[in-house]
Amino acid sequence: QKEVEQNSGPLSVPEGAIASLNCTYSDRGSQSFFWYRQYSGKSPELIMFIYSNGDKEDGRFTAQLNKASQYVSLLIRDSQPSDSATYLCAVTQGGSEKLVFGKGTKLTVNP
Amino acid sequence: GAVVSQHPSWVICKSGTSVKIECRSLDFQATTMFWYRQFPKQSLMLMATSNEGSKATYEQGVEKDKFLINHASLTLSTLTVTSAHPEDSSFYICSASPRGYSYEQYFGPGTRLTVT
Repeated sequence: QKEVEQNSGPLSVPEGAIASLNCTYSDRGSQSFFWYRQYSGKSPELIMFIYSNGDKEDGRFTAQLNKASQYVSLLIRDSQPSDSATYLCAVTQGGSEKLVFGKGTKLTVNP
Repeated sequence: GAVVSQHPSWVICKSGTSVKIECRSLDFQATTMFWYRQFPKQSLMLMATSNEGSKATYEQGVEKDKFLINHASLTLSTLTVTSAHPEDSSFYICSASPRGYSYEQYFGPGTRLTVT
């Protein structure tokens, strides 16, 4: 069973702080890794993807991937109340294009 | 770019009727489209994968005769819930993967189905 594990939270951080979200996956064949943001009652929105080991930065977001440890993380710098949402980690299943989703981490940014 | 639309955004139907949900990629051609359902406070569950011009591939436990998927073109896929029952009430979300860009999926806004 291919699994993606995330801490369900809730994770609370003050406005302006760094929020750190973590994800581990079981399938060593996974090649592509995604972070989606989902506001309550809405569909997921793609915010970051990463394919290679290391860091990838996009604005206030940094994705980090360590394939040896089967670990992917998302850092949100200068967190804003509008970042309050559930963050879903998704991983491709082996060599296929299917995504396996974690259950999500609920983030709350307090003003 | 990478905009996906869904219609309707919400629908209420009576038990035993059928409901069709459309998913369109507005500014790109989609090699593959995916259909998910999501129950409250749970993560996304993949129902099926569809490729233009071929039959959909259903996940284990998903009834293909109940959830009919048609991927008529590179920009349109439809999901028809046949003989709907209250337990089919859920949030149905489609996603599309742009042609030539492996694995990124862009989601539509979702359709909330309530079966009474």
